[in-house]
Amino acid sequence: NAGVTQTPKFQVLKTGQSMTLQCAQDMNHNSMYWYRQDPGMGLRLIYYSASEGTTDKGEVPNGYNVSRLNKREFSLRLESAAPSQTSVYFCASSEKRGENYGYTFGSGTRLTVV
Amino acid sequence: AQSVTQLDSHVSVSEGTPVLLRCNYSSSYSPSLFWYVQHPNKGLQLLLKYTSAATLVKGINGFEAEFKKSETSFHLTKPSAHMSDAAEYFCVVSDYFNTGKLIFGQGTTLQVKP
Repeated sequence: NAGVTQTPKFQVLKTGQSMTLQCAQDMNHNSMYWYRQDPGMGLRLIYYSASEGTTDKGEVPNGYNVSRLNKREFSLRLESAAPSQTSVYFCASSEKRGENYGYTFGSGTRLTVV
Repeated sequence: AQSVTQLDSHVSVSEGTPVLLRCNYSSSYSPSLFWYVQHPNKGLQLLLKYTSAATLVKGINGFEAEFKKSETSFHLTKPSAHMSDAAEYFCVVSDYFNTGKLIFGQGTTLQVKP
């Protein structure tokens, strides 16, 4: 089925460990995004990529890095995990900007840092 | 800058009674607005979107929202609540003239009592 695929779905890390969250979309969308969701705070943008080869910081980028590997894939890396990064992470992609556009979200990665 | 404010963090209704979830927005240009729903431990599902066509937007599962420019509001309504409507609801504005990213409100939890 077409859509946004995130891996893994669940992960437990120890403080200081590193890991990469993977995201891939098969809809030929130009733009991709990483959000984190915390109780009472909605979803906050970590990083986004408006097109292949470009990445920009969002609202809460500290402690994260991203790579837009190609048009399909956009990965999020935690170099040294901290308990404050315990959250649910969502990847999304979007069609071109303008009137006829839409956003598709992945099913999320639930990350716990102990 | 664009933003959304969801005026209630928690709304409780009885099954069969109307639902009203309130959202105000701020935008320097004509906004593109969405409502998303998230059931417990699930991903995000698009309910409806406004993109400067009709001001009354009909969505899935009997939900609708009315865009009121004079009041900078985009409230979500449903005539009769069902138990399955219990979930968290997010009002979202898109920065589509610039980065295309979505800016989320903090969310409203809808409780439906039997």
